[in-house]
Amino acid sequence: DAKTTQPNSMESNEEEPVHLPCNHSTISGTDYIHWYRQLPSQGPEYVIHGLTSNVNNRMASLAIAEDRKSSTLILHRATLRDAAVYYCILRSRSYNTDKLIFGTGTRLQVFP
Amino acid sequence: GAGVSQTPSNKVTEKGKYVELRCDPISGHTALYWYRQSLGQGPEFLIYFQGTGAADDSGLPNDRFFAVRPEGSVSTLKIQRTERGDSAVYLCASSSRTGPTDTQYFGPGTRLTVL
Repeated sequence: DAKTTQPNSMESNEEEPVHLPCNHSTISGTDYIHWYRQLPSQGPEYVIHGLTSNVNNRMASLAIAEDRKSSTLILHRATLRDAAVYYCILRSRSYNTDKLIFGTGTRLQVFP
Repeated sequence: GAGVSQTPSNKVTEKGKYVELRCDPISGHTALYWYRQSLGQGPEFLIYFQGTGAADDSGLPNDRFFAVRPEGSVSTLKIQRTERGDSAVYLCASSSRTGPTDTQYFGPGTRLTVL
């Protein structure tokens, strides 16, 4: 399985934009990039996913490098509720890989 | 609508005992997953059901762990002869379809403590 690398932790102030990086230099052409986040004492929740093009939804934006070896999750205006561990996960079209393979993620702290 | 629910929310047991953890997926979701999360780590895959059958049980750590989903809805994770190393949060997730673009919806987890 292709591996992702994320910083252990990041900090932000409330209402500022946050850019969470993820490196995936061994990504294959059919791997999708997914982001999940886990708020304290909760299960993970889906944030966004993409393949090649940048993606936007109500929660965040996903910017994917042209060579697809890295991506950035963008929270446009951080709130205290965005404090969580953010996981970048690659998902393949290969048979029997419906499981999510989590790393240790990036712990985002948001200060008022 | 109702999300994924897991019971109990907390379970404390003694070493050597048997435990059952229950997961109620979102209604209509055919795929169901179990993960285990140790402190400070990301969730780790255990087993995946498509309908009633286990499509991938490669993450079960040993034969003390077993899971069932007899009617394709509720699932039970069973752990025999519990060990202190089994202490973790056990997470269940479900999805309406499978593949590289599906979204998995997680429950709040069951915190298992083995004394």
